[in-house]
Amino acid sequence: GQQVMQIPQYQHVQEGEDFTTYCNSSTTLSNIQWYKQRPGGHPVFLIQLVKSGEVKKQKRLTFQFGEAKKNSSLHITATQTTDVGTYFCAGWSGGSYIPTFGRGTSLIVHP
Amino acid sequence: DAGVIQSPRHEVTEMGQEVTLRCKPISGHNSLFWYRQTMMRGLELLIYFNNNVPIDDSGMPEDRFSAKMPNASFSTLKIQPSEPRDSAVYFCASSLMTGRSYEQYFGPGTRLTVT
Repeated sequence: GQQVMQIPQYQHVQEGEDFTTYCNSSTTLSNIQWYKQRPGGHPVFLIQLVKSGEVKKQKRLTFQFGEAKKNSSLHITATQTTDVGTYFCAGWSGGSYIPTFGRGTSLIVHP
Repeated sequence: DAGVIQSPRHEVTEMGQEVTLRCKPISGHNSLFWYRQTMMRGLELLIYFNNNVPIDDSGMPEDRFSAKMPNASFSTLKIQPSEPRDSAVYFCASSLMTGRSYEQYFGPGTRLTVT
């Protein structure tokens, strides 16, 4: 079955440093989503990428979808303490209505 | 919009007891998902409903787990009998599946502790 690997599992950064999390799928995806879960909270949808090579930005967050549609990344520029949380990717295969979530990357920002 | 509503928010029960978790999806959404989250296994999909019909329950751990969706505004996840290894946070999420948009809205979750 489809597998979605996400690295790293944890990332400690000093406030102001950049952060990147990577997501790799064993199969070609029709689209990929990113979610953020604050400590003690629930996953919240951030964005969906559909097109090969697509790049989307939300303020300090940059999301990329690989050319082969098998990998994706989330990059945060100049992290802030409000960025703390776990970032999940969720991959969807063509024709499937069931996502496969990565294990998530927990971001810890030190002030 | 109140978002996805789950109850109870916390549940502590003894092994062997029946546990029922409840979910009210966002009005107008046609898909509902139940997830379980633990440190060891991450976020696992348990069951997926579309238009109130269970489409995929391959993630349901065993016969002790059952889920129903009697109408578009209500779903339950039941564990009977409960075991300590069922301790986890259970999320319900709803979605309006249209074309290429599969955005999921998660509820606040139910933190279940089985002693």
